[in-house]
Amino acid sequence: DQQVKQNSPSLSVQEGRISILNCDYTNSMFDYFLWYKKYPAEGPTFLISISSIKDKNEDGRFTVFLNKSAKHLSLHIVPSQPGDSAVYFCAARGTGGFKTIFGAGTRLFVKA
Amino acid sequence: DAMVIQNPRYQVTQFGKPVTLSCSQTLNHNVMYWYQQKSSQAPKLLFHYYDKDFNNEADTPDNFQSRRPNTSFCFLDIRSPGLGDAAMYLCATSRAGTANQPQHFGDGTRLSIL
Repeated sequence: DQQVKQNSPSLSVQEGRISILNCDYTNSMFDYFLWYKKYPAEGPTFLISISSIKDKNEDGRFTVFLNKSAKHLSLHIVPSQPGDSAVYFCAARGTGGFKTIFGAGTRLFVKA
Repeated sequence: DAMVIQNPRYQVTQFGKPVTLSCSQTLNHNVMYWYQQKSSQAPKLLFHYYDKDFNNEADTPDNFQSRRPNTSFCFLDIRSPGLGDAAMYLCATSRAGTANQPQHFGDGTRLSIL
């Protein structure tokens, strides 16, 4: 029972263009969403988050959009850089809880 | 730098031989988590500690145990590892008491079963 789904295992983008990573969730009780980035041989590192009371959060080149009615969020990276090549995990959490449910990840390749 | 450290990075054990993975943190976070991640799959939460309060996930096998002797350290014990327990094990921490805190992860221990 996958409550958080990242349907694209991989994505390839040209340097300087926009990368869009997508995530869908099924549990309407989730109210906090996070994106983590993972390089090989390292643990995931927190990238950006969004609360369910917002529909957009921006941090430099990274923007997360939340569409609650569609139970969908996306991470936009613009402009994409070769150093952005990594696995990106979408994650979700319910109110006041500690349990964070992760998606299976999307591997982003940014070509120079 | 404050961080989450997992030792060892690679662990090989024999089928059925108990193994312990360790995690330490210098962040002084009161919540610590253990995740299991198999290849190309989502990290799966096994259990977490909120201070000394242990919270087991319903589908975590009885074979998996955990100890948290103090704020800084947390251990994952696998009593009788099977071939299906080969995976990456990730430790994470977060700070409770403030809403919406992200988790901080260690670099993981890759466990192989012979």
